[in-house]
Amino acid sequence: QKEVEQNSGPLSVPEGAIASLNCTYSDRGSQSFFWYRQYSGKSPELIMFIYSNGDKEDGRFTAQLNKASQYVSLLIRDSQPSDSATYLCAAEMNRDDKIIFGKGTRLHILP
Amino acid sequence: DTGVSQDPRHKITKRGQNVTFRCDPISEHNRLYWYRQTLGQGPEFLTYFQNEAQLEKSRLLSDRFSAERPKGSFSTLEIQRTEQGDSAMYLCASSSRDREIYEQYFGPGTRLTVT
Repeated sequence: QKEVEQNSGPLSVPEGAIASLNCTYSDRGSQSFFWYRQYSGKSPELIMFIYSNGDKEDGRFTAQLNKASQYVSLLIRDSQPSDSATYLCAAEMNRDDKIIFGKGTRLHILP
Repeated sequence: DTGVSQDPRHKITKRGQNVTFRCDPISEHNRLYWYRQTLGQGPEFLTYFQNEAQLEKSRLLSDRFSAERPKGSFSTLEIQRTEQGDSAMYLCASSSRDREIYEQYFGPGTRLTVT
């Protein structure tokens, strides 16, 4: 069973601090990884994707990938109350294949 | 707006009835995916298409579920003889390979309530 694991949270972070969200995946053959943000009652919104080891930065967001450890993370700098949402990690199991989602981590930014 | 659209946004039906949902992907996207999401869970893969071809169907999808994409554009998802356990958000996403990967973009979803 190919899985993506996330801590369900909630993760509470003070406004202005760095929020760190983590994800592990079971299939060593996974190629690409995605972070989605989902507000309550809304559909997932793509934030970032990463497919090379290392860091990828986009504004306040940094995705990190370590394929040897099968570990993906998302850092959110200068956290804002509007960042409060559920963050879904997803992995593309094989090239050109479907993606598998984790259950998501609820993030709460404290004003 | 050229995003993914879904219709209807909400559907309430009685157990045993059939329901059909429609998804219109982003126009240049050749892949279309259907997911189901329940409270506190991530989206659960149901099936996906490349153009009009259905490439994979989840083993979790019973034979009461069927999906089509007849002309490689919009898609429909039908649930026959609905059960209360079918109550969920049904999400559609589309993608097109850009550079190295497929990035999926979601529609707003159809929330199904079976009474």
